[in-house]
Amino acid sequence: DVKVTQSSRYLVKRTGEKVFLECVQDMDHENMFWYRQDPGLGLRLIYFSYDVKMKEKGDIPEGYSVSREKKERFSLILESASTNQTSMYLCASSLQATETQYFGPGTRLLVL
Amino acid sequence: EDQVTQSPEALRLQEGESSSLNCSYTVSGLRGLFWYRQDPGKGPEFLFTLYSAGEEKEKERLKATLTKKESFLHITAPKPEDSATYLCAVLTQGAQKLVFGQGTRLTINP
Repeated sequence: DVKVTQSSRYLVKRTGEKVFLECVQDMDHENMFWYRQDPGLGLRLIYFSYDVKMKEKGDIPEGYSVSREKKERFSLILESASTNQTSMYLCASSLQATETQYFGPGTRLLVL
Repeated sequence: EDQVTQSPEALRLQEGESSSLNCSYTVSGLRGLFWYRQDPGKGPEFLFTLYSAGEEKEKERLKATLTKKESFLHITAPKPEDSATYLCAVLTQGAQKLVFGQGTRLTINP
């Protein structure tokens, strides 16, 4: 079974803090993705990576950066958290870009 | 622009009452259509992938079908544990990312 884990289920941060969200997959998948999910807006892609040290902007990259130093790990960084980044953050991975994406359990982030 | 629309937004059924969820899409070229189930506060759980018109997949009480313009998720004799939000997503030609619909929130009353 594919396993995608995320470092925290819930996080509470202050405005202006630097926030790190970690995602690890154990299936040797090439591709990893970060989404955010908000009521009424659905899932929106923030960044994705198709190889180690490679990254591509998704639909809403502003205010975020990513890091992929190892194949199994993909980190999402909020350089200076703002209240409008309060959301559910979901990580996913897939073997190939055209194949099924498997999601982690999500991190619910609250920025005060 | 690629678009995915799911209907209805919400559906409430009695236990055992069969129905269908719809996912219609307008895309430049379909490489795959994916169905996920999402429980409150959790990540989406993969259900099915469909690649070409006419294809069908089944799993327990769920059956997914695909035409050139839409996909249906049929639920037969549902149980309360089938209550969840069902998400549809498409992967288009030349793209490396999924386009998601807004989801259908399904509630099965005992």
